[in-house]
Formats: sequence, structure tokens, C-alpha cells
Amino acid sequence: SQQGEEDPQALSIQEGENATMNCSYKTSINNLQWYRQNSGRGLVHLILIRSNEREKHSGRLRVTLDTSKKSSSLLITASRAADTASYFCATRERGSTLGRLYFGRGTQLTVWP
Amino acid sequence: DVKVTQSSRYLVKRTGEKVFLECVQDMDHENMFWYRQDPGLGLRLIYFSYDVKMKEKGDIPEGYSVSREKKERFSLILESASTNQTSMYLCASSPPGTGEGQPQHFGDGTRLSIL
Repeated sequence: SQQGEEDPQALSIQEGENATMNCSYKTSINNLQWYRQNSGRGLVHLILIRSNEREKHSGRLRVTLDTSKKSSSLLITASRAADTASYFCATRERGSTLGRLYFGRGTQLTVWP
Repeated sequence: DVKVTQSSRYLVKRTGEKVFLECVQDMDHENMFWYRQDPGLGLRLIYFSYDVKMKEKGDIPEGYSVSREKKERFSLILESASTNQTSMYLCASSPPGTGEGQPQHFGDGTRLSIL
């Protein structure tokens, strides 16, 4: 399967702690994206990192990419109860011209007040 | 902001019925996608379209068809609904695949139950 794999499947932390989620993939990529999904809703795009980038920040989010290991991590700092959601990584294959993304199975993050 | 609208949040149908799920986007995006989402399986691509009247099979097209007569609308059709098609269906759109950085924009999903 070309699907990415997130690790862990579920993560439970207290407010104020940092949350780290990992994603591994199999093919050469053009970019890797992280999405968030609140319960019963659609996915929302969080951040995109290109294959020639190693780290990217957006507010409390920090994403790293290691193309040699075919892996990425998403760090949420100083987590809040409102960060409770499922988080998915998605990859765009190198050379793809049709815009298709391959999604992982997601990490369910629960942040307790 | 891009808005992707799915016609129904919840839908209940009977086995054997022909079911239509509608999706409309307002950002003139070329690409549109239909996924189904099941617990433990993540998002699986059913079909996608990169232009009007153009379609490509995804990973699980069996039992489904699609229609894209206008750029803003992408319909998913269950030809003869079966209970194993009970799922959450998500529609998404994005700009063309060329170049870099094309996030997908999702609707809120249709939770379909086949009885």
C-alpha cells in the first residue's frame, strides 16, 4: 500500500503538554501534508512541507521531514483541550500531476483539561 | 475561503436503492475527490476527477460511479446500495496537480446508512 502510517494510533495527554505524532511513508514524495479532523466533520489542512524542506513552523505546530527515513513528525506545543481531534498525514507522490494524495489512518489525540 | 458543500449530513437508504451523493465547490477547482472513511481504515479514495467529464478510479471504485457534468459539482452514485457501503463519505477539491502545494479542501461529510 502507498498509504502513510501514523504512530501512535491514539495519544492521550494533559493540557499544556506537547503532543508528537509520527508518519511513515513508502514512496518518493513531492510534499507531505498534515490534516486535522474534529469528530463528525471533514478534514482541515494544517501545514504542508515540501520534500526539500526539513522543518516548518506554523503557530504551535512544528513539522519535520526526513526523506532519507521516509518519515515526518507533527509536534503540537502547549496543547489545549480544543486540540482534541484526529490527525492525518498525506503524501503527494513525486512526479504526480493529478493532485492525488495518499492518507494515513490517523492518530486520535485526546487532550484532557 | 473555499467552501465544499455536501448535500446531506446524514442519509438512510435501503439495500438495492440507487443513491446519489452530491458535492459542490465554489473555488473553481479543477480536481475533485470522493473518499470513504471507516474506523481503522482511514480515508480510501473511491474516484477522482481532474476536469469536467474526466474521471479516474481510486483504490475502491467497485459498486460506485461518478458524474462531473459541471466544474463545480461532483456526484457519487451507488448503483445498487449494499450494507457494506454504510460509511462516512467525504468530498474534497483542490487546484490542479501541477506545481507544488495543493491542499485538499473537504466538505463535512455524509454519513450514509444502508439498511
